[in-house]
Amino acid sequence: AQSVTQLGSHVSVSEGALVLLRCNYSSSVPPYLFWYVQYPNQGLQLLLKYTTGATLVKGINGFEAEFKKSETSFHLTKPSAHMSDAAEYFCAVTLNRDDKIIFGKGTRLHILP
Amino acid sequence: NAGVMQNPRHLVRRRGQEARLRCSPMKGHSHVYWYRQLPEEGLKFMVYLQKENIIDESGMPKERFSAEFPKEGPSILRIQQVVRGDSAAYFCASSPDLTQYTDTQYFGPGTRLTVL
Repeated sequence: AQSVTQLGSHVSVSEGALVLLRCNYSSSVPPYLFWYVQYPNQGLQLLLKYTTGATLVKGINGFEAEFKKSETSFHLTKPSAHMSDAAEYFCAVTLNRDDKIIFGKGTRLHILP
Repeated sequence: NAGVMQNPRHLVRRRGQEARLRCSPMKGHSHVYWYRQLPEEGLKFMVYLQKENIIDESGMPKERFSAEFPKEGPSILRIQQVVRGDSAAYFCASSPDLTQYTDTQYFGPGTRLTVL
């Protein structure tokens, strides 16, 4: 069965600094991978997704993630943090495009002024 | 094109009452998924429905919970005889027919259920 592990339930970075949110997955077959962002009291918004093809995926708001099969990782990065990036971020995996999504427990990103 | 709509956004129930949560998928979407988010946890899959069919209910509690997606109207998640442990945010997501390319699930804003 597939699963997702997000390292660090809380991450703090200074405004303008690099954002790195870690995600490792477990899957017996090539997965689809996602990053979602959730702002307070709101639903989830898709940041980016990996299905097939290029392993470096660019998403909205300047975020990107790289699928590394050898490391079973899909870490999320952004070169320069902005105050508006403060939110909770969820890594997720699914095996088929009509299958349920398995979510990690989330990482809350804090931006320090 | 309106997004996924959920109502109510906030729902307060007393123990023992019924909670009924509604989800209207995006136009053209015939797949609906329900997820539950408990405090300080990620989202947990509950059920996957297509029109008039339950495809996967492996995440649904065996008792008190039921879901439907009728031919007409929204999908309904029903919780009977609610208990305090049911307090959570319930999110609905929808995706289009498999005949279309995109495979993304689009999430609604959620219904926050509080059981007193």
